[in-house]
Amino acid sequence: RKEVEQDPGPFNVPEGATVAFNCTYSNSASQSFFWYRQDCRKEPKLLMSVYSSGNEDGRFTAQLNRASQYISLLIRDSKLSDSATYLCVVNKWGETGANNLFFGTGTRLTVIP
Amino acid sequence: NAGVTQTPKFRILKIGQSMTLQCAQDMNHNYMYWYRQDPGMGLKLIYYSVGAGITDKGEVPNGYNVSRSTTEDFPLRLELAAPSQTSVYFCASRLQGSSEKLFFGSGTQLSVL
Repeated sequence: RKEVEQDPGPFNVPEGATVAFNCTYSNSASQSFFWYRQDCRKEPKLLMSVYSSGNEDGRFTAQLNRASQYISLLIRDSKLSDSATYLCVVNKWGETGANNLFFGTGTRLTVIP
Repeated sequence: NAGVTQTPKFRILKIGQSMTLQCAQDMNHNYMYWYRQDPGMGLKLIYYSVGAGITDKGEVPNGYNVSRSTTEDFPLRLELAAPSQTSVYFCASRLQGSSEKLFFGSGTQLSVL
C-alpha cells in the first residue's frame, strides 16, 4: 500500500467555485501533514501545514481526521492563479530514526475563466 | 542566501554513462534529500542524509549513490544510466527541530536515451 494516496483528478472548475481535495495515509504513527503546491515544471512549494484542529489560511482550509487517516484541502472562491498540482505530504519515521516526508502523486487543478 | 542550488538544469545521457547531480545549500540545514518525479507522479525519495557523513536509502535507491562530506553539499551519482532513470530530480533540505518545511532546488531534467 502506498504511504500517501490522492485522487489524481484532474479537477476543472470555473472561477469562483469551491473545490475539495482528499488524501489518505497508511502510517497511523504519522504526526506531520502538509499540502504543497507544484506549478508545471517547477519545484514544490509549501502551501500550508495541517493541524489536528483544522486550520485556515485565507481561501484555503485544511482538515485532518486521524481516526480515518484522512486529510483534506478546501479552496474557496477559486482563482485562475490556483491552477496547479496539489501534493499531500505526510511524515514517516525511518528505521534510522530520521523523520522523512512522503508525497502523494498530486491532484491536478485547472481553474477555467 | 541562495537557498538550494542544483546543477545542471538539463542533461541527456546515453545508456551506460555516468554523471553526478550536484546539490548545495547555504542555510546550514542538517537534513538533505534527493527525490525523483516521473511524469504525472508524486515525488519518490531516493536517498537522504541527516548530517555530514550520514546517508541512508529512501524508497527507490537502486542505481544511485550519494555522499555527504560537508553540511552544504549532497551530490547524487548515477553510475550506469538506464532509460528507467529518465526523470526530474529534486534536491531538498530542511532544518531538524524547526518547522518541517522543505526547501527545494529548481530541479534537474534528466533523459537517458
